Amino acid sequence: DVKVTQSSRYLVKRTGEKVFLECVQDMDHENMFWYRQDPGLGLRLIYFSYDVKMKEKGDIPEGYSVSREKKERFSLILESASTNQTSMYLCASSFSGTSDPTDTQYFGPGTRLTVL
Amino acid sequence: AQSVSQHNHHVILSEAASLELGCNYSYGGTVNLFWYVQYPGQHLQLLLKYFSGDPLVKGIKGFEAEFIKSKFSFNLRKPSVQWSDTAEYFCAVNARGGSNYQLIWGAGTKLIIKP
Repeated sequence: DVKVTQSSRYLVKRTGEKVFLECVQDMDHENMFWYRQDPGLGLRLIYFSYDVKMKEKGDIPEGYSVSREKKERFSLILESASTNQTSMYLCASSFSGTSDPTDTQYFGPGTRLTVL
Repeated sequence: AQSVSQHNHHVILSEAASLELGCNYSYGGTVNLFWYVQYPGQHLQLLLKYFSGDPLVKGIKGFEAEFIKSKFSFNLRKPSVQWSDTAEYFCAVNARGGSNYQLIWGAGTKLIIKP
């Protein structure tokens, strides 16, 4: 079974703090993704990475950055947390299209971040 | 721009009722189609997916979905729901062979099954 783990289930931070969210997958997937999930908005892609040290902006990258130094690990960084970044953050991973033409994504349990 | 529309944000049914959740997408090319489910307190998991072949796809827990290309639809169905089906259901689409691997997500449908 694919396993995607996230460093925290719940996190409370103060406005202006730097926040690190970590994601690890154990299936040797090439692709990794960070989403935020908000009620009524579905999932919105923040950033994704298709290889080590490679990253692409998603739909809402503002206020976020990412790091992928190792294939299995993808970090999301909030440089200066703000209250409008209070949300559920989901990490996902998938094989590349050559290994899985459906690009099926597998998700971690999520981190519920509250910024006060 | 590609988009995915889920017709109902909230659906409330009694146990044993039949279920159909609508999903329409806007994209003219070849697509992969997915339904994911998120049970309360659990992570998103794949319910079923369509890649090619038979447009009627069967997934876990008795769910199925039918891809109707002419209608750009991929509706989720279950003939008789159970209380344990209470969850949020998401439809998602990606363009086959796309270079950016992005899934386009619907807003989700919260399904509540009354015991």
